[in-house]
Amino acid sequence: DTEVTQTPKHLVMGMTNKKSLKCEQHMGHRAMYWYKQKAKKPPELMFVYSYEKLSINESVPSRFSPECPNSSLLNLHLHALQPEDSALYLCASSQDGGLAGDTDTQYFGPGTRLTVL
Amino acid sequence: AQKVTQAQTEISVVEKEDVTLDCVYETRDTTYYLFWYKQPPSGELVFLIRRNSFDEQNEISGRYSWNFQKSTSSFNFTITASQVVDSAVYFCALWYLDSNYQLIWGAGTKLIIKP
Repeated sequence: DTEVTQTPKHLVMGMTNKKSLKCEQHMGHRAMYWYKQKAKKPPELMFVYSYEKLSINESVPSRFSPECPNSSLLNLHLHALQPEDSALYLCASSQDGGLAGDTDTQYFGPGTRLTVL
Repeated sequence: AQKVTQAQTEISVVEKEDVTLDCVYETRDTTYYLFWYKQPPSGELVFLIRRNSFDEQNEISGRYSWNFQKSTSSFNFTITASQVVDSAVYFCALWYLDSNYQLIWGAGTKLIIKP
């Protein structure tokens, strides 16, 4: 079962709000990813967690704060966002993220469409 | 430099026609993987295929087929007898040995299948 779930599906927030996006997978994958996707563009990698440790932070502003409470869950905490942060936020997971000089397929969730007013 | 080019921004065909989506990649690495993903209007990226650089066999899965040619650095995707449900944006992506989790994405091709 290649399923990654994300909540909420849609989120509208003001620039002073604090909100969180949630992602869950039950495939036993040990790598989890956050991507941001603007309209008509490919996804841009934001963060990677491998074995529950932050492995990559692609110079993302501190108003985005990731958290990996356990191997199945990934959160993205949002605070003081800007209107230009409005986008589709995608979560993905893979077996182990390519620790052995190989790579695994990333499986994506349905995304959260975020609008910042 | 590592790069993926999907030169076709948008393709529109009538249902039941065959359609080929082009993907050209650049990498100096000899070990790499190529992927195709489908993104319907709902937004989810759906994995279609993964191919490593040492396996040049073409792949067929139902109406979908992929042609991997290292000589031309291409990994093209053909849909036979297209259906309206095939309408989506299709992304080609490259992973190479030193990419550190990163997928290098093409710009995507929007495929419109008209009934």
